[in-house]
Amino acid sequence: AQSVTQLGSHVSVSEGALVLLRCNYSSSVPPYLFWYVQYPNQGLQLLLKYTSAATLVKGINGFEAEFKKSETSFHLTKPSAHMSDAAEYFCAVTEGKNTDKLIFGTGTRLQVFP
Amino acid sequence: SAVISQKPSRDICQRGTSLTIQCQVDSQVTMMFWYRQQPGQSLTLIATANQGSEATYESGFVIDKFPISRPNLTFSTLTVSNMSPEDSSIYLCSVGGGWGTGELFFGEGSRLTVL
Repeated sequence: AQSVTQLGSHVSVSEGALVLLRCNYSSSVPPYLFWYVQYPNQGLQLLLKYTSAATLVKGINGFEAEFKKSETSFHLTKPSAHMSDAAEYFCAVTEGKNTDKLIFGTGTRLQVFP
Repeated sequence: SAVISQKPSRDICQRGTSLTIQCQVDSQVTMMFWYRQQPGQSLTLIATANQGSEATYESGFVIDKFPISRPNLTFSTLTVSNMSPEDSSIYLCSVGGGWGTGELFFGEGSRLTVL
């Protein structure tokens, strides 16, 4: 079965610092991978997705993620954190091909300090 | 994209009662998903609701506890029955982009607290 592991339930950075949120997936076949963001008291929204095209995926708000098959990783990065980036971030993988069913990681709460 | 409205946004319920959550989508969609997000935890899929057929429940979730209706292509309800404090969670409705690629759109969630 597909699964994703997010290392670090909480990450704290200073404003302007690099953001790195880690996600590893378990699959022998490259799946579709996603990062979703949840701002306080809101639903989730799609940040970016990997669907077997370019391995470096750019998303909204300056975030990007790189698919590394050799490491089974899909880490999320942003060069310079902004206060508005404070949120919960979820890595997710499709259960299989041609499905909208997602398996979510446990989430990483990002705090940004001035 | 899709705009999803959920009601209620939050509620405080008594043990043993039931609550129905409504999910309205601004466009016709085939599949709707109901997720549970327990405090401090990730999202867990409860069931998939297709219009015109019985909902498909994930392991650990049963229809008697979480009955779902899907009367048309823009609306669904999830009922949390005979609630206990362990049911205190955020319940999220979501719909797919319709392309089978896993891109989901979410409502803002319904935060239930069971006393």
